[in-house]
Amino acid sequence: GAGVSQSPSNKVTEKGKDVELRCDPISGHTALYWYRQSLGQGLEFLIYFQGNSAPDKSGLPSDRFSAERTGGSVSTLTIQRTQQEDSAVYLCASSLGGQVQTQYFGPGTRLLVL
Amino acid sequence: SQKIEQNSEALNIQEGKTATLTCNYTNYSPAYLQWYRQDPGRGPVFLLLIRENEKEKRKERLKVTFDTTLKQSLFHITASQPADSATYLCAVERSGGYQKVTFGTGTKLQVIP
Repeated sequence: GAGVSQSPSNKVTEKGKDVELRCDPISGHTALYWYRQSLGQGLEFLIYFQGNSAPDKSGLPSDRFSAERTGGSVSTLTIQRTQQEDSAVYLCASSLGGQVQTQYFGPGTRLLVL
Repeated sequence: SQKIEQNSEALNIQEGKTATLTCNYTNYSPAYLQWYRQDPGRGPVFLLLIRENEKEKRKERLKVTFDTTLKQSLFHITASQPADSATYLCAVERSGGYQKVTFGTGTKLQVIP
């Protein structure tokens, strides 16, 4: 069956440009997460969506980062005025929702800011 | 906030031996803990979940223990194979009644033929 998909798989951009990263979760999954993983580092939580509830944005590192989830499905993570320190792999995960659920991850988007 | 510690150094073991990875956490006791596997260039893949009232969980060659007194989980791979080589991540529930988890930095396992 279809898993979590992310696009683009790789993105190279110039410092100061805006980028949009897309995540298509597994159909029927109400919860969606964005993480950032820098080289050799663990997963850094960014934002969490659960159904129609207000998202938990507590992990967003600055106001240059924002995310939205339309229709409870597809999500877009936007980084404005990119900086070199934004270079990382951005991972999206989804789950069925509920108190304890397995997260299913996409392959990630590798972002390089020059 | 929850802090997770995993062996930062890579673990090298001989094929056929048992690999044991450690996950230590601080602060509050989580309701559950998960282990994921991550291969290079890929997203993590869920392996096992263990709840606070469970001491041990098994799945094929994998075994996870959860000691809430020591605030520690051990992840064992028995009869290890080169295909088990990967980075293993521990994920600890962050707050009660909520499915957010905090991930550790992972331990890289290398199984030598």
